[in-house]
Amino acid sequence: AQSVTQPDIHITVSEGASLELRCNYSYGATPYLFWYVQSPGQGLQLLLKYFSGDTLVQGIKGFEAEFKRSQSSFNLRKPSVHWSDAAEYFCAVGPSYSGGGADGLTFGKGTHLIIQP
Amino acid sequence: NAGVTQTPKFQVLKTGQSMTLQCAQDMNHEYMSWYRQDPGMGLRLIHYSVGAGITDQGEVPNGYNVSRSTTEDFPLRLLSAAPSQTSVYFCASSYSKGQDRVNTEAFFGQGTRLTVV
Repeated sequence: AQSVTQPDIHITVSEGASLELRCNYSYGATPYLFWYVQSPGQGLQLLLKYFSGDTLVQGIKGFEAEFKRSQSSFNLRKPSVHWSDAAEYFCAVGPSYSGGGADGLTFGKGTHLIIQP
Repeated sequence: NAGVTQTPKFQVLKTGQSMTLQCAQDMNHEYMSWYRQDPGMGLRLIHYSVGAGITDQGEVPNGYNVSRSTTEDFPLRLLSAAPSQTSVYFCASSYSKGQDRVNTEAFFGQGTRLTVV
């Protein structure tokens, strides 16, 4: 069965510092990987996605993620965080192709990002 | 373009009551799904649908029913609400493209916060 592990429940970073959020996945077929962000009381917004091709993908709000097949990882990074980045971040994995498995996403439990002034 | 619309936004139920959470999308997406979000658990898939007339169970289907009579709508029914169903519920839609039917990212509604007392 597929699974997603986000090892860090909470991360505190100073404003202006760099950020890396970890994500490891287990998936039997070709994975489609995502990072979503959720601000308090809000829905989920897609930051970026990886399906194939270049293993370093760029997303919105200055985020990027690197897919490492050998490590089954898809870590999210940002060079310099802003106070507005404080939110909950979710990594998710899903089937690349329709009919390739359950057509739904498996989410990690989330990482709560706190920004210190 | 409204995207994915969920109603109501908030609901309080008494144990044993029934209700339907509504979800509608105007993007002509073939796939729709329901997730519940609980603290420290991330999002878990309840039910999903790959097209009108076709539904299937996700990770946590017990206590919930779904049907998909149209492409646009995917209601979630709680037949006899229990306190364990207190959660935030998210509906999502997506589609596959091309001859290979590559999946796209899921678009989420704003959520329904349900409290069962």
